[in-house]
Amino acid sequence: AQSVTQPDIHITVSEGASLELRCNYSYGATPYLFWYVQSPGQGLQLLLKYFSGDTLVQGIKGFEAEFKRSQSSFNLRKPSVHWSDAAEYFCAGNSGYALNFGKGTSLLVTP
Amino acid sequence: DSGVTQTPKHLITATGQRVTLRCSPRSGDLSVYWYQQSLDQGLQFLIQYYNGEERAKGNILERFSAQQFPDLHSELNLSSLELGDSALYFCASSASSGRASEQFFGPGTRLTVL
Repeated sequence: AQSVTQPDIHITVSEGASLELRCNYSYGATPYLFWYVQSPGQGLQLLLKYFSGDTLVQGIKGFEAEFKRSQSSFNLRKPSVHWSDAAEYFCAGNSGYALNFGKGTSLLVTP
Repeated sequence: DSGVTQTPKHLITATGQRVTLRCSPRSGDLSVYWYQQSLDQGLQFLIQYYNGEERAKGNILERFSAQQFPDLHSELNLSSLELGDSALYFCASSASSGRASEQFFGPGTRLTVL
């Protein structure tokens, strides 16, 4: 079945440290992959997307993600985390019409 | 602000009741999607409409139904409510349909069934 998996339920990083959130996908052909962020009490905001082409994609708020077909991964990265980045992050793939979401990774940022 | 609006923001009701959630898509978007977010199931796709017609169905219960009106707003109807229906219900919209469509999410409606 086509799906995405986020292995880490919770991640804690210090403010200013680098961040990498993992996402593994299981899709045939060309996967359409997305990263969304959900702040407490808010809806989901699209950070970035990958359809094809350059495997390193830039998004909003200083985030980037790298598509690695050999590892079936689409990890989200940020070089320096800010306290305002504390939120729930969702990786998603589109199998046809709708988004299939991972379970999410909750990011805690410590001072 | 994504441009997608949902009403009401919160809804508290009793088991066995029926409720209607409303969604207005971004201006110009033809597709509307409904998702359910719960602690145990995570984010799950329920149903999609495109320009008034049902396009795809996901894990939507028979007690739930939806429609998209000529002005493109959509309503999700939940009936014979059970405690397990308590969740956050999101509406999303996109300009087109298909895998590459970028979906914009509303703030959600939090449903509590007592």
